[in-house]
Amino acid sequence: GAVVSQHPSWVICKSGTSVKIECRSLDFQATTMFWYRQFPKQSLMLMATSNEGSKATYEQGVEKDKFLINHASLTLSTLTVTSAHPEDSSFYICSARDGGRATGELFFGEGSRLTVL
Amino acid sequence: QKEVEQNSGPLSVPEGAIASLNCTYSDRGSQSFFWYRQYSGKSPELIMFIYSNGDKEDGRFTAQLNKASQYVSLLIRDSQPSDSATYLCAVSLFGNEKLTFGTGTRLTIIP
Repeated sequence: GAVVSQHPSWVICKSGTSVKIECRSLDFQATTMFWYRQFPKQSLMLMATSNEGSKATYEQGVEKDKFLINHASLTLSTLTVTSAHPEDSSFYICSARDGGRATGELFFGEGSRLTVL
Repeated sequence: QKEVEQNSGPLSVPEGAIASLNCTYSDRGSQSFFWYRQYSGKSPELIMFIYSNGDKEDGRFTAQLNKASQYVSLLIRDSQPSDSATYLCAVSLFGNEKLTFGTGTRLTIIP
């Protein structure tokens, strides 16, 4: 299957600092990537849709100034959590769809577990 | 009403038995249906997708779709302890890239 790589896999930071998470499609080009957040024992909640070369589309209730998304190339999207606070502690997962496949499934990165102290 | 609903479980099934996971969705415009498996602390991995009414089999897994009833299920035959995980149902509308996930069903296979 298509490979999506995410880095870092876990990060611990102090309250008020910013954290950047990278998402790469390794063997395909992704014009669109998706960022999800998952709190313990809850399902995946879509935060935003990252579009290569244009602004991200944020879901209702997600602060675009707090969660900065940059999709500068066809293989890389980044999510920056600015001025992180303990309530931002979560499992952040990126995903992408391989446009070369007709099946439409999403491939997920390994996830990044953020802990804000 | 949630867009995609699943019984959260936990669902316990003896090893070797059939595990049945269910999912209902609210939007009749939904066209694509996916089952993902997620182990604790890991990201989801795709098990199967289905687009047409009826059954689709892949090894020990069978997905069943009934659009009239807005219902999709996943059957796991000959359940193994390694099948113990949370199973997520996901749905997308025709021409829409976004997937909407259910809350997941936690499955435990008892040796």
